[in-house]
Amino acid sequence: SQWGEENLQALSIQEGEDVTMNCSYKTYTTVVQWYRQKSGKGPALIILIRSNEREKRSGRLRATLDTSSQSSSLSITGTLATDTAVYFCATGTGGYKVVFGSGTRLLVSP
Amino acid sequence: DMKVTQMPRYLIKRMGENVLLECGQDMSHETMYWYRQDPGLGLQLIYISYDVDSNSEGDIPKGYRVSRKKREHFSLILDSAKTNQTSVYFCASSPGTSQNTLYFGAGTRLSVL
Repeated sequence: SQWGEENLQALSIQEGEDVTMNCSYKTYTTVVQWYRQKSGKGPALIILIRSNEREKRSGRLRATLDTSSQSSSLSITGTLATDTAVYFCATGTGGYKVVFGSGTRLLVSP
Repeated sequence: DMKVTQMPRYLIKRMGENVLLECGQDMSHETMYWYRQDPGLGLQLIYISYDVDSNSEGDIPKGYRVSRKKREHFSLILDSAKTNQTSVYFCASSPGTSQNTLYFGAGTRLSVL
């Protein structure tokens, strides 16, 4: 079974709207990474939040981490059509294994 | 330039044929990975390589083997491919720090008929 998991879903919104995606994980993790995968490409890291951080911001991205509930969220403000992608959370214990959730498919229409 | 290169990008094989997927990275990363991606299942870890000739099974290693003879190169081998191995395969590398950020290639789309 997967350690990190999102509610696999497809979100469809209009450009300019804000969106939040959630991820829950089943085991202890030292870091939660969020990756974005555009069509035909491999995933790429967009933001990383450590277990001693509750919130992390990077441009229009905001990640939160609640270690007590073993959950993380990724918010994108003022979405653009270019934000259309599949978003994955990934968890790691500080070792080498990185486990990915099943992803959230986001479609942003112009 | 930090890059992970996968070859080939597309491959069609018949059931029972052997398959070789190749991956290279130019970042001198110690750790490399093979994942497969199927619709609705996210990325599933097949193998991890910690360095040359130091490999470990991931979550779904059955039907696969790997080879790493040079730090910059990591191969995935399917001996006698099966139709249920049709998938998109991703290679990734990592500097192996505690944050363990993965750098992915563009993937190989494999169809086994």
